[in-house]
Amino acid sequence: EIVMTQSPATLSVSPGERATLSCRASQSVSSNLAWYQQKPGQAPRLLIYGASTRATGIPARFSGSGSGTEFTLTISSLQSEDFAVYYCQQYNNWPPGITFGQGTRLEIK
Amino acid sequence: QITLKESGPTLVKPTQTLTLTCTFSGFSLSTSGVGVGWIRQPPGKALEWLALIYWDDDKRYSPSLKSRLTITKDTSKNQVVLTMTNMDPVDTATYYCAHILVVGMIRAFDIWGQGTMVTVSS
Repeated sequence: EIVMTQSPATLSVSPGERATLSCRASQSVSSNLAWYQQKPGQAPRLLIYGASTRATGIPARFSGSGSGTEFTLTISSLQSEDFAVYYCQQYNNWPPGITFGQGTRLEIK
Repeated sequence: QITLKESGPTLVKPTQTLTLTCTFSGFSLSTSGVGVGWIRQPPGKALEWLALIYWDDDKRYSPSLKSRLTITKDTSKNQVVLTMTNMDPVDTATYYCAHILVVGMIRAFDIWGQGTMVTVSS
């Protein structure tokens, strides 16, 4: 099974500043990487798929990059509504399946 | 507009079998390229993928839970059903179903249900 490791576990950033979240795969997943945002009491929301493509309706301040085993989610200028938990997720044909990272909590500094 | 909604028991006893139903609208599971998955989240913990099913009845399961899971679809009812056997208190979680975005080899869950909380306790 491919293990996804996110860092840091918690990130404290001030509104208006840039946030950079990392996700590492235990083996290459090519560009089969997605990012989700989850707020308390809500279902996750898809932000990025294919490592760098924004999902429908996602603001341009969210961007994704990387391929292979190293991926980054960048939020260029944090808004109050961006403070949440973020998860990465990979899909792979072999070994087959889907795995999520353990999440990064983005909190207000 | 795609919507999904999970239904099932809120409380099950240890060793029992859990049956959850995902009822969806806005798409058909008989259409090529379409899929639905199940994901769960224990309280305060991370997301865990469980299973998925595609329009052609191709099914995939989490390796760690494969022996306990069965996923099926009823195209005429627009439903996907997940069963999990031998429930244990560690299976207490919110269970979500989600529509799968398929773009080439890429898979992502683009639309989620609201989730249903299942507690396992005697």
